[in-house]
Amino acid sequence: GESVGLHLPTLSVQEGDNSIINCAYSNSASDYFIWYKQESGKGPQFIIDIRSNMDKRQGQRVTVLLNKTVKHLSLQIAATQPGDSAVYFCAERPPSNDYKLSFGAGTTVTVRA
Amino acid sequence: SAVISQKPSRDICQRGTSLTIQCQVDSQVTMMFWYRQQPGQSLTLIATANQGSEATYESGFVIDKFPISRPNLTFSTLTVSNMSPEDSSIYLCSVEEDGSEQYFGPGTRLTVT
Repeated sequence: GESVGLHLPTLSVQEGDNSIINCAYSNSASDYFIWYKQESGKGPQFIIDIRSNMDKRQGQRVTVLLNKTVKHLSLQIAATQPGDSAVYFCAERPPSNDYKLSFGAGTTVTVRA
Repeated sequence: SAVISQKPSRDICQRGTSLTIQCQVDSQVTMMFWYRQQPGQSLTLIATANQGSEATYESGFVIDKFPISRPNLTFSTLTVSNMSPEDSSIYLCSVEEDGSEQYFGPGTRLTVT
């Protein structure tokens, strides 16, 4: 079946710099996408979502960009902080009425002081 | 967002035994899901827990191995039956809100020896 994947398994970022985490999805019919943050020993935490009728959505220090032409999703974190160190997952939802999510492999972000 | 708790938070079990994991939500939700996250891996959906009917299982997961109960709109259990070391994982429940956003519990860390 189709699945979501990530370009890079790890990302090292200097504190204060901006981070960009990328995600490639394969189901062109997916209509909803979510970014999650998972800290060590915890469950995934909802960060931000975007629907397929949008190409950009901003939250607090985070921006999600959606490029449906190339089936690419990215999460930008502004002024990265040590607390941003975690594994980040993108998830897609193919169109259906059952709300199932398909998760990518995850990117481990490490913030250098 | 809904507050989700899971019990136990972690356990070490012997092979051949069974463990029942509880998921409690502080509000009524229609959709509840159970995921497995193997060490260092992404999340894989096990099943959708339906209130008042049998759970809907994903490919590769069967009811005899992972029986699920959903007695009401705030509670669900997942049993991992006849465990083997390959069942060592984090088991996560999640709930869907507002027709899209999905939130996760803290997870149950299971080690099978």
